[in-house]
Amino acid sequence: NAGVTQTPKFQVLKTGQSMTLQCAQDMNHNSMYWYRQDPGMGLRLIYYSASEGTTDKGEVPNGYNVSRLNKREFSLRLESAAPSQTSVYFCASSEAGGALYNEQFFGPGTRLTVL
Amino acid sequence: AQKITQTQPGMFVQEKEAVTLDCTYDTSDPSYGLFWYKQPSSGEMIFLIYQGSYDQQNATEGRYSLNFQKARKSANLVISASQLGDSAMYFCAMKDSNYQLIWGAGTKLIIKP
Repeated sequence: NAGVTQTPKFQVLKTGQSMTLQCAQDMNHNSMYWYRQDPGMGLRLIYYSASEGTTDKGEVPNGYNVSRLNKREFSLRLESAAPSQTSVYFCASSEAGGALYNEQFFGPGTRLTVL
Repeated sequence: AQKITQTQPGMFVQEKEAVTLDCTYDTSDPSYGLFWYKQPSSGEMIFLIYQGSYDQQNATEGRYSLNFQKARKSANLVISASQLGDSAMYFCAMKDSNYQLIWGAGTKLIIKP
């Protein structure tokens, strides 16, 4: 039981390059999330998917796109990377986002540097 | 607007002592949930404990307990008998009717041997 997996673990991009961060969960969860974590700050929600077939913007969606490929997979795409997107990116999942008590389970994170 | 405040950027605690990590929150929703997560130096986020706004009793999970004071809008995490492995970043987060987690900036806890 792998839980939430993310690839890659590390990535260095040049300004303007594009890339996709992959996330998969094997817990049969309905809801999935993408966060970024910057030094001295808590996590900030980029996009989320409450259920398969739906996606919604979070607090900081600019510069990102997402795809909920199926119930297991939720990818995050940077179309034209900028230095301000240097961060650690976490994917998370939960049984049902529309319930207060469901905790989110996190992947190991992707450390992205944009030069 | 919803907000989570963790006023302690860092704390040093002697091993085996109890430690309290502060968290205050702001929401106008009567129904909300409060979460604590631990982030060790390895980077993963680990769920510790949950408290619902309507829960009558403070939540406990092993050595972790949540001191929930609703009128003060505080949800402090208490770790009893601290261990070296408790050294980590600790994050408080809240979920209300938006069903999205709002996170505090975290507290870095260092346990001294």
